[in-house]
Amino acid sequence: DAGITQSPRHKVTETGTPVTLRCHQTENHRYMYWYRQDPGHGLRLIHYSYGVKDTDKGEVSDGYSVSRSKTEDFLLTLESATSSQTSVYFCAISDDYEQYFGPGTRLTVT
Amino acid sequence: ILNVEQSPQSLHVQEGDSTNFTCSFPSSNFYALHWYRWETAKSPEALFVMTLNGDEKKKGRISATLNTKEGYSYLYIKGSQPEDSATYLCAFDQGGKLIFGQGTELSVKP
Repeated sequence: DAGITQSPRHKVTETGTPVTLRCHQTENHRYMYWYRQDPGHGLRLIHYSYGVKDTDKGEVSDGYSVSRSKTEDFLLTLESATSSQTSVYFCAISDDYEQYFGPGTRLTVT
Repeated sequence: ILNVEQSPQSLHVQEGDSTNFTCSFPSSNFYALHWYRWETAKSPEALFVMTLNGDEKKKGRISATLNTKEGYSYLYIKGSQPEDSATYLCAFDQGGKLIFGQGTELSVKP
């Protein structure tokens, strides 16, 4: 794998609680992305970052916020988790065309 | 809303068969087209990034072609092996923001 870790790898949380997922890279790539993967929808982009403190929304950004205070870390926050946010979350990094994916975080909201 | 369509949804073949899948995407504002291979319980692995109309790429027994004018790409696997069993994803690249198709699930029986 391209030096990408995600933490935690699995999490179960209750509706209404805040949750933060972390993506960490050791490749010094400029671009970082958060996707969610759901049956029947494939992979969908939540948010992405094109540099430190530079972020933008993807196609399914409602209910999520992100932060990137340093090149190596991209945080995804669910301010108040809902059951519809139960999913597998993938982080990806890129320096040009190719995107390299992390191992994923399975989040269950009960 | 951009639509990226893949067909077929699933495919079951015998070892040694050759097979191909289709990815259809918008023919306007083309930037790049990605193919990924995704095994169960792993993260998506980049196969090809295609940027020019008429591009043909090859990696071992897997190859891909691109027609940006009509908005389609084909992925071919020659002499399928059981280890080729996976979901194959294509993604339309909007300048770093990927729109994924739902994938073609390939199962190769020995």
